[in-house]
Amino acid sequence: QLQLRESGPGLVKPSETLSLTCTVSAGSISDNTYYWGWIRQPPGKGLEWIGSIYFSGNTYYNPSLKSRVTISVDTSKNQFSLKLNSVTAADTAVYYCARHQKIYYYYMDVWGKGTTVTVSS
Amino acid sequence: DIVMTQSPDSLAVSLGERAAFNCKSSQSVLYSSNNKNYLAWYQQKPGQPPKLLIYWASTRESGVPDRFSGSGSGTDFTLTISSLQADDVAVYYCQQYYDTPTTFGQGTKVEIK
Repeated sequence: QLQLRESGPGLVKPSETLSLTCTVSAGSISDNTYYWGWIRQPPGKGLEWIGSIYFSGNTYYNPSLKSRVTISVDTSKNQFSLKLNSVTAADTAVYYCARHQKIYYYYMDVWGKGTTVTVSS
Repeated sequence: DIVMTQSPDSLAVSLGERAAFNCKSSQSVLYSSNNKNYLAWYQQKPGQPPKLLIYWASTRESGVPDRFSGSGSGTDFTLTISSLQADDVAVYYCQQYYDTPTTFGQGTKVEIK
């Protein structure tokens, strides 16, 4: 059964870069049926799609974050990664990685457990 | 962006009773060429990631109990739990994937009365 696991620092200083990695197990990130996405959830709030990537490296970002986001893929490690630069307290959230069905903004059928990132000095 | 608005924000239902709550999109998420509504529902329990329940507005994800059902078309959708169980206490989110960026409703919190 496919599993996703987020990893990375839980604390990031304001103005620095948040970096997270999602490791895919029991499945291949190179499966051409799926896209791989990042979603975040600020404390006590709703869900926000950050962006997605295809195994070929094609990326798609939410315009609201596009200027600060980079998503990349490493098929040899079965991983994809998120970088969010110039972070502020508003970027404090639980960050999830997930698998999109068929199209990069479609529904997500497999999610990681999430990792909490706090932006604070 | 398509704005998704859920109602109510919370509701309390007795065990075994029916729970129904709504999701409204700021524009239609029905694609006329294939007659599909690009709408999904998720369940999120405290400390857990969202779990996909329903996609294409009414297709139940594999393994989801049949007490969960989705209905609606165009801009107005409903998730119904036919007989509420204690395990159903959660926040439920709708998501539109008709257009990018995909967007979510603010959630409806379901509790036991």
